[in-house]
Amino acid sequence: ETGVTQTPRHLVMGMTNKKSLKCEQHLGHNAMYWYKQSAKKPLELMFVYSLEERVENNSVPSRFSPECPNSSHLFLHLHTLQPEDSALYLCASSPDREETQYFGPGTRLLVL
Amino acid sequence: KQEVTQIPAALSVPEGENLVLNCSFTDSAIYNLQWFRQDPGKGLTSLLLIQSSQREQTSGRLNASLDKSSGRSTLYIAASQPGDSATYLCAVRAIYGNNRLAFGKGNQVVVIP
Repeated sequence: ETGVTQTPRHLVMGMTNKKSLKCEQHLGHNAMYWYKQSAKKPLELMFVYSLEERVENNSVPSRFSPECPNSSHLFLHLHTLQPEDSALYLCASSPDREETQYFGPGTRLLVL
Repeated sequence: KQEVTQIPAALSVPEGENLVLNCSFTDSAIYNLQWFRQDPGKGLTSLLLIQSSQREQTSGRLNASLDKSSGRSTLYIAASQPGDSATYLCAVRAIYGNNRLAFGKGNQVVVIP
């Protein structure tokens, strides 16, 4: 266990649904990240939060909406997704942005 | 833009053999390089981190080398075991571009008992 938890672990949703992914870290870290991992592709960084402020949005479509209410929690709100958004969504945290990242187990998302 | 390539994409070895996994990157202006392990359907676990000023790092049966000038890193796993079966990911942190990690696609390893 890395100290980073994600819920749910698996999610199936239709294209018209709204759902949220949750990430929680108990490590006292200041930076949190969302990554997307698709089959046969490298991990893609989606969003970076540092001290609860979004510091990076890597050209992610607006149907993905992150939220960081405090330094321990990170959400990814999903709305009107497409089948190509099906992937493993990984959350990570690090003490600061330049330090080693600790990953959660991921949420396996399937969009029908 | 930093490009990270891992070769081979997949390999199978009999138990007891040494594993050699290769990672190459296009921009040598890096802060550090990290090797991760990922089990099927799970998150990433950090194995070794090599700072740009270092040539190698060792942890148990694992040894990672870094040749920054040629843009290469190699992960050696000695005396492989079935429990080493996993995907190994190489990630490079650039000096520029907000210190973002650039990942390779991974080396998928199967150790045959």
